[in-house]
Amino acid sequence: GAGVSQSPSNKVTEKGKDVELRCDPISGHTALYWYRQSLGQGLEFLIYFQGNSAPDKSGLPSDRFSAERTGGSVSTLTIQRTQQEDSAVYLCASSLLSGPYEQYFGPGTRLTVT
Amino acid sequence: QKEVEQNSGPLSVPEGAIASLNCTYSDRGSQSFFWYRQYSGKSPELIMFIYSNGDKEDGRFTAQLNKASQYVSLLIRDSQPSDSATYLCAVKWGSQGNLIFGKGTKLSVKP
Repeated sequence: GAGVSQSPSNKVTEKGKDVELRCDPISGHTALYWYRQSLGQGLEFLIYFQGNSAPDKSGLPSDRFSAERTGGSVSTLTIQRTQQEDSAVYLCASSLLSGPYEQYFGPGTRLTVT
Repeated sequence: QKEVEQNSGPLSVPEGAIASLNCTYSDRGSQSFFWYRQYSGKSPELIMFIYSNGDKEDGRFTAQLNKASQYVSLLIRDSQPSDSATYLCAVKWGSQGNLIFGKGTKLSVKP
């Protein structure tokens, strides 16, 4: 079946602009997660959705970052007034809300802020 | 502070050998443990998970969990050059949905 998809695959933006990153999870996966990975670094948790609600927003690095999920499916991560330190690969994953909650990742969006 | 620690490597093994990758975690409240493989420029790919003490085998891969020692490992038997990648250990705690990842161990399998 179809896996997690993300768009765009690459995004180059100027400092100060807003960007939107999209994630389409595996069909039937109620949980959706956003992480980011900076060059040579590990994965940093950003936010987690159960259905359309976000019980854990603790990882969002600043109030410039926000995310929403509608219809229990597609999610959008928005970064306002981008800064150079926002440059990273943004990864989305999804899982069922049962069993070991194994997460499956999308291909990621590489964001470069110039 | 929940932390997951891995040796960054690189770990170099000859083709056909057993590669042993190790991971420690900081909190005994952890529930599930995951190993992901990440090729350069690609996203993480789930290899296997384990949540009970002992060994779990899947093909050439064996995950080992020791909750008393807060230690989880991944053994790769008959290592192949195609196994060369960064291996990420991840831990799920309690009712939290998200995973905490280690920084990964880079494995290089030499022909």
